[in-house]
Amino acid sequence: DAMVIQNPRYQVTQFGKPVTLSCSQTLNHNVMYWYQQKSSQAPKLLFHYYDKDFNNEADTPDNFQSRRPNTSFCFLDIRSPGLGDTAMYLCATSRGEGGPGDTQYFGPGTRLTVL
Amino acid sequence: AQSVSQHNHHVILSEAASLELGCNYSYGGTVNLFWYVQYPGQHLQLLLKYFSGDPLVKGIKGFEAEFIKSKFSFNLRKPSVQWSDTAEYFCAVTPPRFKTIFGAGTRLFVKA
Repeated sequence: DAMVIQNPRYQVTQFGKPVTLSCSQTLNHNVMYWYQQKSSQAPKLLFHYYDKDFNNEADTPDNFQSRRPNTSFCFLDIRSPGLGDTAMYLCATSRGEGGPGDTQYFGPGTRLTVL
Repeated sequence: AQSVSQHNHHVILSEAASLELGCNYSYGGTVNLFWYVQYPGQHLQLLLKYFSGDPLVKGIKGFEAEFIKSKFSFNLRKPSVQWSDTAEYFCAVTPPRFKTIFGAGTRLFVKA
């Protein structure tokens, strides 16, 4: 059974056209993360939510926003995508924020292409 | 700043060869340690993890990893690789109350 679900799996958008990526989880985890993974690179954390508390990484561009309307869902909004935003976007969840035993579970990712 | 180093960016092996992928991290305290695998076109999957206890951890698909605290290392091993192990492998470290840090990844190609 899928535990972390991401939609869509593939998204093509035009330069500057806003796009929203969706993530949902059935694990009832407190923490949800968004990562950006470019080709042949490690996942890069953009931000995460602990419950409703939003934690932005210092180097995440302002172009990237997130919403978490409830425990199960989290959205990544890219307000004005640039060509450099072409990447795989990964959603992950965990029970806590890095305490003993905390493990992140990843969704299948959304591959975003900006033309 | 905390960091994770994976020494080999690309590894090519023949089937049945033994595998060892190195991972070192820089953090002096207790950490959670992980190896993730990403098969071509697929998402990150957890191979194994270490939190405490026996430093030799066994994961799925015949993989194991050994935590050596004095060396800040968590190397991944498999005695005999298969063609289906072709994938990218990421070491990840989570210090307490801190974000998970991923290594740059090691691309393994296993020749049939």
